[in-house]
Amino acid sequence: EAQVTQNPRYLITVTGKKLTVTCSQNMNHEYMSWYRQDPGLGLRQIYYSMNVEVTDKGDVPEGYKVSRKEKRNFPLILESPSPNQTSLYFCASGYRGGGELFFGEGSRLTVL
Amino acid sequence: SQQGEEDPQALSIQEGENATMNCSYKTSINNLQWYRQNSGRGLVHLILIRSNEREKHSGRLRVTLDTSKKSSSLLITASRAADTASYFCATDRAAGNKLTFGGGTRVLVKP
Repeated sequence: EAQVTQNPRYLITVTGKKLTVTCSQNMNHEYMSWYRQDPGLGLRQIYYSMNVEVTDKGDVPEGYKVSRKEKRNFPLILESPSPNQTSLYFCASGYRGGGELFFGEGSRLTVL
Repeated sequence: SQQGEEDPQALSIQEGENATMNCSYKTSINNLQWYRQNSGRGLVHLILIRSNEREKHSGRLRVTLDTSKKSSSLLITASRAADTASYFCATDRAAGNKLTFGGGTRVLVKP
């Protein structure tokens, strides 16, 4: 089954404790992206990747890192989480030339 | 920054009625897409309309695009309780998947 898998789905952590949210897709998509969703602000893009070893900043990259060492994986790293990073995070993938995106089920992160 | 802005922010209708929501955007686009999100779940792609298209249908969905007004509309006909969800428009400005999403329209379909 074609899918985008995120882990963990739920996480409560404390300020400053490094964490990684993993994202994996099985559709051989070149493009992958991370979004955060906050009430009243819609979905905002954090980082995206057009292919292996190619990443670029989205609209709200501060406080986040990503890597794309393999085509299927695109982890989101919060080196020193802060409470303003409490949010619902979505990973998405698609073909590089544009078109629909396939979304994961989301990872709800709370930073205390 | 939000490229697309949906209107209304929320919509409540009876089962069987039609639901219409609009999306306005600011800059030229390559295509515009509509997605659905059930509460707290991942977004699901509904339909894509390219900048050179004016109308597109998919089942009970009808999407229009007016590039001169920089606006799009999504019509759901004969709505069902299962259509209760948030609907988002997303614009692709450069055919590179860099979609920019609007704030969404919350639709409640009452049985």
